Amino acid sequence: NAGVTQTPKFRVLKTGQSMTLLCAQDMNHEYMYWYRQDPGMGLRLIHYSVGEGTTAKGEVPDGYNVSRLKKQNFLLGLESAAPSQTSVYFCASSRGEVPYNSPLHFGNGTRLTVT
Amino acid sequence: AQTVTQSQPEMSVQEAETVTLSCTYDTSESDYYLFWYKQPPSRQMILVIRQEAYKQQNATENRFSVNFQKAAKSFSLKISDSQLGDAAMYFCAYELDFMNYGGSQGNLIFGKGTKLSVKP
Repeated sequence: NAGVTQTPKFRVLKTGQSMTLLCAQDMNHEYMYWYRQDPGMGLRLIHYSVGEGTTAKGEVPDGYNVSRLKKQNFLLGLESAAPSQTSVYFCASSRGEVPYNSPLHFGNGTRLTVT
Repeated sequence: AQTVTQSQPEMSVQEAETVTLSCTYDTSESDYYLFWYKQPPSRQMILVIRQEAYKQQNATENRFSVNFQKAAKSFSLKISDSQLGDAAMYFCAYELDFMNYGGSQGNLIFGKGTKLSVKP
């Protein structure tokens, strides 16, 4: 029972490089999300998806792109990494119903460092 | 804009004792949800307890309970019979009821967290 799986777990990039973070869920959830967590802060929503083929912007979308080609996968891309994108990135999924009945399930996070 | 404030950056409790973590929030809306998440060193965010704003009864989950004061916009977490495994960062979070106000699930507003240490 894997739940939400994120790859990779760690990554170091140089400024200007690109990369893609992969999130996979095996719970048949409709909604998926990408958050970032900076030191001393809670999570902030970057982008989310309410179903296969859809994406939408969250609170802090600049510098990121996402795609949801398959229901179980949600990709987060950085086209030109900047030091300000150094953070821990979390993926989550949910059924997308009333929040009380549809809690978010989180992955274990990806620690990204941009030098 | 909604905000969530956790005024205790760090707390410490003796094993088997009780500790209360504070959380206040600011909102002008009446329909929302409140959550406490636990983040152990493994980094994974784990839902501890949740509360619907329209319910006056405080939520409980085993050793975890909340004191929800809607008028005061306060949502504190009480951990009874603390265990070593309770040591973690605890985040309070607010989510507007998107069914009533539009938008989507998942746009949680998090506090900055409280680091809880449990002494044996």
